Amino acid sequence: DAKTTQPPSMDCAEGRAANLPCNHSTISGNEYVYWYRQIHSQGPQYIIHGLKNNETNEMASLIITEDRKSSTLILPHATLRDTAVYYCIVRVRDDKIIFGKGTRLHILP
Amino acid sequence: DTAVSQTPKYLVTQMGNDKSIKCEQNLGHDTMYWYKQDSKKFLKIMFSYNNKELIINETVPNRFSPKSPDKAHLNLHINSLELGDSAVYFCASSFRGRYEQYFGPGTRLTVT
Repeated sequence: DAKTTQPPSMDCAEGRAANLPCNHSTISGNEYVYWYRQIHSQGPQYIIHGLKNNETNEMASLIITEDRKSSTLILPHATLRDTAVYYCIVRVRDDKIIFGKGTRLHILP
Repeated sequence: DTAVSQTPKYLVTQMGNDKSIKCEQNLGHDTMYWYKQDSKKFLKIMFSYNNKELIINETVPNRFSPKSPDKAHLNLHINSLELGDSAVYFCASSFRGRYEQYFGPGTRLTVT
């Protein structure tokens, strides 16, 4: 079973920052937080991962709370192409990925 | 060039038939995976191979048999297809010990 809780859906206006929350209150010290997304009819796409520090790459930023029980994925300037299902996953490196239900993000024009 | 490719993209077949799905990756990864996404969109891992050795084998009927002829290929053979096998099957690859997996475009299998 997935170890994370995400809202089933969210809306965001195009050009605004999309903030996707994730709760992982039972995360262990050696588990990483990963984010993937799946655009309609495509394979999942890796976005970002982190352990305890905030992370940023060309796609997004990941903010992890100090107690590591929750995190937020930030897409700084959402576009229509960011419409997808976003999955928050916690796992030990090398372990299998267990996908939950994710958050369906709608970017509104 | 496509990093992870799968063939065929669509597969329609009748119950009881045997079919194969092929996967190839040109990323130089040492680990490959098969996932199944059912009609409710749940994505679940089925198998994982590292350097041609099976390392993850979830509770999957033994009608499903993965085969890895080399590090760049992982094929999935399904015997005696059933209606419940209808799904989208995704192949993925990664370096063992690295964080991200790269997924293929999927194969939509429809069993009639």
